[in-house]
Amino acid sequence: NAGVTQTPKFRVLKTGQSMTLLCAQDMNHEYMYWYRQDPGMGLRLIHYSVGEGTTAKGEVPDGYNVSRLKKQNFLLGLESAAPSQTSVYFCASSSQGAVNTEAFFGQGTRLTVV
Amino acid sequence: GENVEQHPSTLSVQEGDSAVIKCTYSDSASNYFPWYKQELGKGPQLIIDIRSNVGEKKDQRIAVTLNKTAKHFSLHITETQPEDSAVYFCAASPNTGNQFYFGTGTSLTVIP
Repeated sequence: NAGVTQTPKFRVLKTGQSMTLLCAQDMNHEYMYWYRQDPGMGLRLIHYSVGEGTTAKGEVPDGYNVSRLKKQNFLLGLESAAPSQTSVYFCASSSQGAVNTEAFFGQGTRLTVV
Repeated sequence: GENVEQHPSTLSVQEGDSAVIKCTYSDSASNYFPWYKQELGKGPQLIIDIRSNVGEKKDQRIAVTLNKTAKHFSLHITETQPEDSAVYFCAASPNTGNQFYFGTGTSLTVIP
């Protein structure tokens, strides 16, 4: 029972480079989320998806793009990385969004942009 | 949108003492309030939740209380143990919403 799996776990990028973070869930959940976690700022929502083929902006979407081509996968892309995007990124999924239901989180991706 | 404030940001207690973390929210439409625990190097994990039709919920050493009139809810941990040391997040979500709104987290340290 893998739950939510994030790839990679660690990455160092140079400013201006691009990369894609992969999130995979095996619970057949409709909803998937990408958060970033920074000291003193809690978990901030970047983008989310309410189902295959759909995406929506969260609180801090600038500089990121997402895609949900398959129900089980949610990809987060950085087209041109900036030092301000240094953070720990968490993917989460839930069966019914935020309506009385638990969100399951991955173990995180620690990204450093130099 | 919803705004969730969480206090304190750090909390140290002696093993066996109680710990209390408080959160306030702004949107009166919010009706689901989960609490997550994040251990070092891991993702957050749900430990307890409460819905708006309930004032208190308890699960062994953990309890959550909700005051909808005052728009605040609290996490209570009794008889704390070193393994309770972690970062705790509160969250709120309106019944029509697609997202959770998280507090900024409380780093709890239980001193043996």
